[in-house]
Amino acid sequence: DAGVIQSPRHEVTEMGQEVTLRCKPISGHNSLFWYRQTMMRGLELLIYFNNNVPIDDSGMPEDRFSAKMPNASFSTLKIQPSEPRDSAVYFCASGRQTNTEAFFGQGTRLTVV
Amino acid sequence: EDQVTQSPEALRLQEGESSSLNCSYTVSGLRGLFWYRQDPGKGPEFLFTLYSAGEEKEKERLKATLTKKESFLHITAPKPEDSATYLCAVPEDYKLSFGAGTTVTVRA
Repeated sequence: DAGVIQSPRHEVTEMGQEVTLRCKPISGHNSLFWYRQTMMRGLELLIYFNNNVPIDDSGMPEDRFSAKMPNASFSTLKIQPSEPRDSAVYFCASGRQTNTEAFFGQGTRLTVV
Repeated sequence: EDQVTQSPEALRLQEGESSSLNCSYTVSGLRGLFWYRQDPGKGPEFLFTLYSAGEEKEKERLKATLTKKESFLHITAPKPEDSATYLCAVPEDYKLSFGAGTTVTVRA
């Protein structure tokens, strides 16, 4: 099993540009999470999908953020327009069931200049 | 309201010097507690799941224990490769709520 795969690993973009982060969860996992990690706030949940359906997006900071999961093997997190304060490491994680351990990808380090 | 609190924030150990990390939680009806290891520039790596008070899990030099109010991660005779940030998390509804982590540095 290749684990959770995220791309790109690093992204540097200018303020105002659109950014799309991609995630391929572990096959057979029903839950998918997008987290953001910063030094100040640690790991924060942005959005949770179960069986490809968004269940809770209350952690999405603003309307500039959106996430989709068109099928069980792919999810995207989009920021449009991006701002410098969006700079962080974004992680995708997947799990077999609710309330079980989640397995994380290697993350995308986003820098907005 | 903090659900998960980890201490200390940082721990510097000499190789071979055993120590323990603490994770205390305030959620009611605990449905598990998870320990992760995170290396710089990488995603959290799952280590253990504990479900009930008195349960213990071991992996190499690491042993995790659970009581009704807290969990401990014991590092026995650590090596430099054990240097990492150790995170604990508890499920809150469907999501994992993480502590801020303990950064462990082991000097040779």
